[in-house]
Amino acid sequence: DAKTTQPPSMDCAEGRAANLPCNHSTISGNEYVYWYRQIHSQGPQYIIHGLKNNETNEMASLIITEDRKSSTLILPHATLRDTAVYYCIVRPGLNNAGNMLTFGGGTRLMVKP
Amino acid sequence: ETGVTQSPTHLIKTRGQQVTLRCSSQSGHNTVSWYQQALGQGPQFIFQYYREEENGRGNFPPRFSGLQFPNYSSELNVNALELDDSALYLCASSQGTGTYEQYFGPGTRLTVT
Repeated sequence: DAKTTQPPSMDCAEGRAANLPCNHSTISGNEYVYWYRQIHSQGPQYIIHGLKNNETNEMASLIITEDRKSSTLILPHATLRDTAVYYCIVRPGLNNAGNMLTFGGGTRLMVKP
Repeated sequence: ETGVTQSPTHLIKTRGQQVTLRCSSQSGHNTVSWYQQALGQGPQFIFQYYREEENGRGNFPPRFSGLQFPNYSSELNVNALELDDSALYLCASSQGTGTYEQYFGPGTRLTVT
């Protein structure tokens, strides 16, 4: 599976957009980009995923570069409850055995008042 | 719709003992994956069960074993506990083994003394 690189930590002011970058320069054609977050003492929570096109849902937007070597998760109006560790994960699109999520270190986002 | 539940919430065991952790999958989900999360690290994949069969395994020794039942609930068993087994154990359910989102439970905190 392709490896991802994320900054270990970021700060964001409450009400502003939080832009979390992820580098996945070795991603292959059939691999998706997934984002999960983990609020302290809870299980990870699915946010969004995409293959090539930008995606948006009620939680966030995912912007994937044209060469697919990097992506950005955007929380449009961050709140204090968005403080969490955010994981960018590259995952095969094939229905192969396991198809597990490979978590790296993630980015610890601190939303400040 | 009931989410993923895990029991117990917390557990303390002694080195050398055996432990069984339980997970109830979300309604309509037939796949359960188990992860181990050591303090300060991202979750690491242990194994996945699909329709009562093991469907992929991470780099964990055979003393980590599991089961999935006809109602798709699952157990994780760990024999001969070691101090390094102290961690948060997470289970995640999904609609299948492909690119379906995995929905995580709150985890079981295991402490081995």
